[in-house]
Amino acid sequence: NAGVTQTPKFQVLKTGQSMTLQCAQDMNHEYMSWYRQDPGMGLRLIHYSVGAGITDQGEVPNGYNVSRSTTEDFPLRLLSAAPSQTSVYFCASSDQENTEAFFGQGTRLTVV
Amino acid sequence: LAKTTQPISMDSYEGQEVNITCSHNNIATNDYITWYQQFPSQGPRFIIQGYKTKVTNEVASLFIPADRKSSTLSLPRVSLSDTAVYYCLVGDVASGGSYIPTFGRGTSLIVHP
Repeated sequence: NAGVTQTPKFQVLKTGQSMTLQCAQDMNHEYMSWYRQDPGMGLRLIHYSVGAGITDQGEVPNGYNVSRSTTEDFPLRLLSAAPSQTSVYFCASSDQENTEAFFGQGTRLTVV
Repeated sequence: LAKTTQPISMDSYEGQEVNITCSHNNIATNDYITWYQQFPSQGPRFIIQGYKTKVTNEVASLFIPADRKSSTLSLPRVSLSDTAVYYCLVGDVASGGSYIPTFGRGTSLIVHP
């Protein structure tokens, strides 16, 4: 029973590089979201999706892109990494709005 | 925006009951209150959710007064393994019209032997 799987767990990028953080869930959840967590800041919403083909911006979307071509996958793309994007990234999924969200183990990203 | 206010940190001792209060003055009529627990280097984990009055499950109780402007998470007889950050969430309506749970900064609970 995998739940929400994020890859990679750790990543170091140079400024200006691009990469994709992967997120997959096997619970057939419609709702998926990406958060970033910085020290002392709690979790802040980057992008979310309410179903395949539907995405929208959260609180801190700048510098990130998402797409949702399938129910299972919700990748997060950094187009041109910046040191300010150094953070821990969490992906989450839930069955419906306002229900229990399941989180992945996180991706720790460092941009140098 | 719906926002929550919690104490930044709390200390307790093994075997004690811990109550963490969250303020959410602007909670929407149809919004639920949800609590998550997070250990270091892990993603948050759902603890409990409620709309009004009292909700209890195998790990915690949630007390919500009639005006719903605050809520209290109660952890009975805490142990060292309850040392974690606890987040109180209420929702927000994003630009696309969908409900999005909004995290605050959480309460860091430290349980001492």
